Parts: sequence; C-alpha cells; structure tokens
Amino acid sequence: DAGVTQSPTHLIKTRGQHVTLRCSPISGHKSVSWYQQVLGQGPQFIFQYYEKEERGRGNFPDRFSARQFPNYSSELNVNALLLGDSALYLCASISGVTDTQYFGPGTRLTVL
Amino acid sequence: GENVEQHPSTLSVQEGDSAVIKCTYSDSASNYFPWYKQELGKRPQLIIDIRSNVGEKKDQRIAVTLNKTAKHFSLHITETQPEDSAVYFCAASMSMGYGNKLVFGAGTILRVKS
Repeated sequence: DAGVTQSPTHLIKTRGQHVTLRCSPISGHKSVSWYQQVLGQGPQFIFQYYEKEERGRGNFPDRFSARQFPNYSSELNVNALLLGDSALYLCASISGVTDTQYFGPGTRLTVL
Repeated sequence: GENVEQHPSTLSVQEGDSAVIKCTYSDSASNYFPWYKQELGKRPQLIIDIRSNVGEKKDQRIAVTLNKTAKHFSLHITETQPEDSAVYFCAASMSMGYGNKLVFGAGTILRVKS
C-alpha cells in the first residue's frame, strides 16, 4: 500500500466548480477502485477500473466520472460540486493475484 | 441489498484486555472479508483478511473468525496496546460481474486506555 500515490493531498473548491483527482497504483497492479469517505463513515464505492475498462459503478450521480490510462493510473472527475461532496477520496490499488485492495493516502476535498 | 453492519460503534478497553468487533453481511455470495485500521487523518490500512474457505485466521495479536452460515465475521485483538487505538472497518467483497467491490461497515472507534 505504500506504493499507491494520490494527488493532490488537499483541495478546496467552491460549489459549482469541478475537480480532478489523480491516482497511481502499485507497480504491477492493473486495477483501481475509487471510494468516497465522508467524515465518521466507512468508505463508499464509486468506481472500479481494470485495463482502462470500467468494471463497476456505485450509487453516485453522473456528475462523477473516471477513467484509467494505459499506464494504469486513474483520474476521478466530479462536476458541479455540491457541499455534500466534501469528503476524503480514496484510491485503492488492487492485486491481480489476490484481489486485495490497498489504499492510497487520499485526497481531502472541501467544498465551500 | 448490499449491507454490512458493524458493532459496536465505540469500544473502550483497558490496556492488556481483549477487544472484539463484530460484523454481519447480507450477500451470501461474498467470499472475501478484510479488516482495515484507520488512524486519524491517515489511509485505511489492511490489517488482516479472511476468505470463505477458512473459518479462522491469526496474525500475532490479531485474529478473524468467519461463520458463513450466519453471515457473520469478527475481529479479535488480544493484549491491546495504546497504539491499537484507531477506527476499525470491516468489509465484505461483493461481485459486480467482472470484479469485486468492497462494502464497508460504519466503523468502530477503539480506545485503549493505559
């Protein structure tokens, strides 16, 4: 899990703006998942990608989108930000051998 | 539906005592159950996991038990230390067809008093 990187660490936006969050998985891992963690709650699944293809999507509005690049890094995009989008956004790098998910340090998004 | 319930929401123990956190899940097809520890401001860190083909797994002071019939699994921490204080999350894997997502419990705040 030490190899999962996310940027930026912190982000402050205003309502209506859009944001792009980035993730690089552990070397050798081809799949990533994105989770939203609101303060005081467990992470909630947003997306999973494998080899640039979307494998699954959680119960989030179409304002949320993501993609994966040929080097297996990934971006999460959120449009038309709402106050309720304030959360820690976690990227998980998924082992192709064990399916174990290792989390990155997260991006703390604050929407004002 | 997809649901993981976790209890208790907070747990205070004296240093050296044991701590037990319990989870139940709804999807009988779930076959992988990880536990994560999250310290304040940090990422969730995998501490132990169990797959459906075994009933118990131990790693030093930490153990996890699984009862597939009851759809119930538990985390046991023995000889607790102040550094065990954190939020603990259980999760269950749920199939999306071509991949598995994790569904998390709401978390347990563990406080170890010295």
